[in-house]
Amino acid sequence: AQRVTQPEKLLSVFKGAPVELKCNYSYSGSPELFWYVQYSRQRLQLLLRHISRESIKGFTADLNKGETSFHLKKPFAQEEDSAMYYCALREGGKLIFGQGTELSVKP
Amino acid sequence: EPEVTQTPSHQVTQMGQEVILRCVPISNHLYFYWYRQILGQKVEFLVSFYNNEISEKSEIFDDQFSVERPDGSNFTLKIRSTKLEDSAMYFCASLYQETQYFGPGTRLLVL
Repeated sequence: AQRVTQPEKLLSVFKGAPVELKCNYSYSGSPELFWYVQYSRQRLQLLLRHISRESIKGFTADLNKGETSFHLKKPFAQEEDSAMYYCALREGGKLIFGQGTELSVKP
Repeated sequence: EPEVTQTPSHQVTQMGQEVILRCVPISNHLYFYWYRQILGQKVEFLVSFYNNEISEKSEIFDDQFSVERPDGSNFTLKIRSTKLEDSAMYFCASLYQETQYFGPGTRLLVL
């Protein structure tokens, strides 16, 4: 079965430190991957898609097919980055989500 | 910027009662979805809907669940006879240019 794994439930860093939120997937085919973010009391919103290869709010993510990973990175974390981050894989029309990682950026 | 809306934001019901969760997708979007998230667990796909019919459903989406687009704007999820384990956050989403846009969710509590 297709699966998305985010091994860390909670990641706590200090402001200005680099951040890497891990995501691994299993998929038999050419994967389409996303990162969604959910700030406190807000809705899930798209952060970035691997096919657009863009940087949003300083975050980037590179698809590594050899390692079946799509880790989310930011060189310098900000307090406003504190949120839940979900990695998701598109299968057909639906999204398959990972468990989510709560990022806490301390001042 | 248009957003997906959902009502109610919270619903408390007794086991065995019927509930209807409502969603208004972004206009001009054609594909609609329901997901749910039980507390502490993953966001799980329930059903997708296109052209007034279900295009895909998960094994969670059994005979107790149904979806409907009763008019040009609303998209509803009905649970016929709620169980305790239906307690969850229910998210509606609509699709545009390969991106799913999510509503704020309805928190359903079954007592």
